[in-house]
Amino acid sequence: KAGVTQTPRYLIKTRGQQVTLSCSPISGHRSVSWYQQTPGQGLQFLFEYFSETQRNKGNFPGRFSGRQFSNSRSEMNVSTLELGDSALYLCASSAGGVYGYTFGSGTRLTVV
Amino acid sequence: AQTVTQSQPEMSVQEAETVTLSCTYDTSESDYYLFWYKQPPSRQMILVIRQEAYKQQNATENRFSVNFQKAAKSFSLKISDSQLGDAAMYFCAYRRGGGGAQKLVFGQGTRLTINP
Repeated sequence: KAGVTQTPRYLIKTRGQQVTLSCSPISGHRSVSWYQQTPGQGLQFLFEYFSETQRNKGNFPGRFSGRQFSNSRSEMNVSTLELGDSALYLCASSAGGVYGYTFGSGTRLTVV
Repeated sequence: AQTVTQSQPEMSVQEAETVTLSCTYDTSESDYYLFWYKQPPSRQMILVIRQEAYKQQNATENRFSVNFQKAAKSFSLKISDSQLGDAAMYFCAYRRGGGGAQKLVFGQGTRLTINP
């Protein structure tokens, strides 16, 4: 059974640019969540999608957005990049309940 | 809002010894799940063990076990017979129960070093 796949693994962008990250969940999982991981703030919840609908959103500015497609694949977009957006972005999919979340290997975004 | 606290930023243990990582949480919910995740240098978060709040029996997965004290809101992880491959960041996480929108709330993590 394939795991959660995130692309790309690494990304370097310039301030002011925008970026799109992709996540393919485990087959059958309809819930996809995104988390930002930084040394200072730790792991912070960005948003969760279920059956193409955003069910929950963390405390991030509107520059951070996402979407989910009918095949459950998800993308997140960050516009007008700032240096502080440099982080590891983790995607996780879930079958719900006690099963928790299965994470991908993340996308390391560096903003210069 | 729920919070998760890991009071040990770093821990070290000799190979083959036992180590316990601490985690406390704060919630007013009665239905929830608790998890321990491991994050090695490869960056992927790996689920180590999970516990349903309504189960009094402590979860066990091979060398990993938890001490779940619901009244004290404590959820510690015990690693027995530590191996070099156990070296990683360990995160305690909370998830509210029930259906609907969900998210994981993480602690700040504990870096575990295994000394050969």
